[in-house]
Amino acid sequence: EVQLVQSGAEVKKPGESLKISCKGSGYNFPIYWIAWVRQMPGKGPEWMGIIYPGDSDTRYNPSFQGQVTFSADRSINTAYLQWSSLKASDTAMYYCARRGYEQLHIDKWGQGTLVTVSS
Amino acid sequence: QSALTQPPSASGSPGQSVTISCTGTSNDVGGYNHVSWYQQHPGKAPKLMIYEVTKRPSGVPDRFSGSKSGNTASLTVSGLLAEDDADYYCSSYGGSNNLLFGGGTKVTVL
Repeated sequence: EVQLVQSGAEVKKPGESLKISCKGSGYNFPIYWIAWVRQMPGKGPEWMGIIYPGDSDTRYNPSFQGQVTFSADRSINTAYLQWSSLKASDTAMYYCARRGYEQLHIDKWGQGTLVTVSS
Repeated sequence: QSALTQPPSASGSPGQSVTISCTGTSNDVGGYNHVSWYQQHPGKAPKLMIYEVTKRPSGVPDRFSGSKSGNTASLTVSGLLAEDDADYYCSSYGGSNNLLFGGGTKVTVL
């Protein structure tokens, strides 16, 4: 069974750093692009960008470029999303999601990681 | 404001049909046959229901169907069941490895 399992909820203060993870199983992890998607309370999803775990080729949505960093470790089938300095406006649910093989849609989502940034 | 426009709500009685629209531009919905639809129940991750405008993944009931005309895509849920009560989001490829999403439609089964 294809699964994406994300790390648990985080509560942070403004200015702190954070790295959340997404571990894939049940498929050939390196050859499927992994997307990161933000969903703020009561809102639609927002595409943050995408990473190819095979060679860490990364494409950011310009709206998120410079605000976050994607990385991946293919040896442990894990992708990461990190912030160097969190803001209150980063409070949201963050999903990792697999893009279908040689396709352009997301076919599998992780369970989400809730990030709360509050002083 | 989301990139794709969906009505905030739709409703129908059990057994009826409901259709949700998703309006974009010629640079996304109208320019690619890569529209997908996701169902999301409260507190759960989204689930793929339709991809490439009309295709259903294995396991998705044929009560769910998709279509597109110009810059507007649609999802129709026929024979509504209580379990169809959920939020539905459309998505379209927008070029340059970007996906665009709609703001979501809350479907209520009356």
